[in-house]
Amino acid sequence: EVQLVESGGGLVQPGGSLRLSCAASGSTFSTYNMNWIRQAPGKGLEWVSYISSSSTTIYYADAVKGRFTISRDNAKNSVSLQMNSLRAEDTAVYYCARDAAVGDPTYWYFDLWGRGTLVTVSS
Amino acid sequence: EIVLTQSPGTLSLSPGERATLSCRASQSVTSPYLAWYQHKPGQAPRLLISGTSSRATGIPDRFSGSGSGTDFTLTISRLEPEDFAVYYCQQYGSSPLTFGGGTKVEIK
Repeated sequence: EVQLVESGGGLVQPGGSLRLSCAASGSTFSTYNMNWIRQAPGKGLEWVSYISSSSTTIYYADAVKGRFTISRDNAKNSVSLQMNSLRAEDTAVYYCARDAAVGDPTYWYFDLWGRGTLVTVSS
Repeated sequence: EIVLTQSPGTLSLSPGERATLSCRASQSVTSPYLAWYQHKPGQAPRLLISGTSSRATGIPDRFSGSGSGTDFTLTISRLEPEDFAVYYCQQYGSSPLTFGGGTKVEIK
């Protein structure tokens, strides 16, 4: 069974940095576009970032542009999110999610999610 | 940005009853780009419906989706014990993609 497992969350001070990772099982990881989606406490889901299967196309939500960097390593079946200049409003559970399309085009809905990792930004 | 408003916020029903969940968009959603997800505490969200009405692999046929324009509905024909969860709609026809705030289906 294919799974996504996030790690790297924790407590960080405002202005600090954190790197999240998402490990995927299965041999087809490199054919899928991947995303990070977050959910702040008591709030709905919010898309954060996208990376295409070959890393050639990357998108960010306006709220994190310039502060977060998404990357992937297909040899290691993993995708990462480097989060810098963290703010209190970045506090959320961060989910790794797979786009439902195999390769192009991107479908922009998500057929596989991880259980999430909690990031808390607080002094 | 398209804002999706889900109602009701909480739906209290008994197993065997029919659940009707609403997702209303602030502007028309490019057809048919609306999806529904189920989320249980501590678990990964699960895709139920894409393209407004297409069930994802392995999703039982008691789940159905419908709608167009600004009004969309997820119907669970007969609630099973495992269906009590939070449900989210998501539009992916316009950038940025957006999610609704969720409807919690709880046991009455």
